[in-house]
Amino acid sequence: SQQGEEDPQALSIQEGENATMNCSYKTSINNLQWYRQNSGRGLVHLILIRSNEREKHSGRLRVTLDTSKKSSSLLITASRAADTASYFCATLRLGAGGTSYGKLTFGQGTILTVHP
Amino acid sequence: GAVVSQHPSRVICKSGTSVKIECRSLDFQATTMFWYRQFPKQSLMLMATSNEGSKATYEQGVEKDKFLINHASLTLSTLTVTSAHPEDSSFYICSARAPGVLNEQYFGPGTRLTVT
Repeated sequence: SQQGEEDPQALSIQEGENATMNCSYKTSINNLQWYRQNSGRGLVHLILIRSNEREKHSGRLRVTLDTSKKSSSLLITASRAADTASYFCATLRLGAGGTSYGKLTFGQGTILTVHP
Repeated sequence: GAVVSQHPSRVICKSGTSVKIECRSLDFQATTMFWYRQFPKQSLMLMATSNEGSKATYEQGVEKDKFLINHASLTLSTLTVTSAHPEDSSFYICSARAPGVLNEQYFGPGTRLTVT
């Protein structure tokens, strides 16, 4: 089953605005990753944040992680039309075995549309 | 980042035939490869995990006799959809990971399978 739940499911904004997407998960994790997928294409890895980190930046991307709330957010600042895509969070769970060991579990995704 | 290729990118086949999809890691040795399936506007669903030289581990509900996975070398894994039916039409994505559970997974560009 998908562990990550993302909201909103769809987000529509104008170019130049900021876009914030949220992801919640249910179990303890080793790290959380964000991916982008353009329509009909493969996934592009955006950023990885480890469970002992709270915030990470990469260019116009800012990711936060709150392990106490089991949630993460992805902020895209000064959005561009080229940012239009689906965004997925994925969690890597480690622990004493279990069927999820070492596997990425993907959220349902947020469809972001940036209007020029 | 590392490159993972998939071939073919698109395939159309008739019901009852078999289709093979290749996944290659081009610049690193992938001891573990993953096969995902994605329906339109949905998230990625892990089908199976394959480790080089051993049998694949299938997720619950995935028929191992229908989706044959072979990981014969450190750079190549194949997924064969046997006796394909229209409901097997989907987007299949592979990913590859270098040795180590915490290493990043690199995703292929996906294969669009249409069964007529």
